[in-house]
Amino acid sequence: GAGVSQTPSNKVTEKGKYVELRCDPISGHTALYWYRQSLGQGPEFLIYFQGTGAADDSGLPNDRFFAVRPEGSVSTLKIQRTERGDSAVYLCASRLNAGRNTEAFFGQGTRLTVV
Amino acid sequence: GDSVTQMEGPVTLSEEAFLTINCTYTATGYPSLFWYVQYPGEGLQLLLKATKADDKGSNKGFEATYRKETTSFHLEKGSVQVSDSAVYFCALSVGNDYKLSFGAGTTVTVRA
Repeated sequence: GAGVSQTPSNKVTEKGKYVELRCDPISGHTALYWYRQSLGQGPEFLIYFQGTGAADDSGLPNDRFFAVRPEGSVSTLKIQRTERGDSAVYLCASRLNAGRNTEAFFGQGTRLTVV
Repeated sequence: GDSVTQMEGPVTLSEEAFLTINCTYTATGYPSLFWYVQYPGEGLQLLLKATKADDKGSNKGFEATYRKETTSFHLEKGSVQVSDSAVYFCALSVGNDYKLSFGAGTTVTVRA
C-alpha cells in the first residue's frame, strides 16, 4: 500500500509482558516518528528517527520503552514489563525528508491494551 | 515548553452552521501551526497549515490564520456538512524536525 502501515492494529497483553509494535513507513521516507495517544488526549511525541538513528528520543517516558530502525525503513517500538498505564494508541508517522515543508503522514495506529 | 490549548468539545452543530474551534499556543521559537483531522475509523490527516505570522491555511472550506499577536490559530468553516464530523487537533512544531505538539482534540458532530 501507499500509506504508513502499523501492525498489529490491536494488541492485548498482560501486565509485565513484553510487546513489539511495528511501523512500515511510506517507501523512501527518511524521517519516522512515534507518538502515543491516550484516551481523550492528543498524540504525544515519543521518538524521531532520521534514517537509522534516533535524532530525538526525549519523549520516551522511561527506560522500558525503546525503538529501533536498523535499516532506515521499518521501525519497531518495544515496551518491556508493560504496565496498565501503557494502554494507549501508538501512532507512527513518516515524512519524505527533514525539510521544513514536507508533510507527515500518519498510520492508523496500534491500540495497546494492558490487562 | 511548547504547547497548544484548544477549545474543549464536544461540539454539535446542524448542517450549514458556522464552525469555529479556538486554538492558542505557547512556543519558545517561531512555530509552524497545523490543524489535523481524524475522521471516524481513519488515521490523522493534515487539514491545513501555516508556517509564519499572518499566513492563512485553507483546505476543504476550512481556514485558519496564524495570529502572532494573539498567539492563536483558530479554525473556521462557514457551512459545515455531515461529512465534517470528526475530531480536530491543533498542533505546532518548532524548527525543522516536525516534532508535533498537539492539543487535546475537539470532537465535532454535524447533524443533518
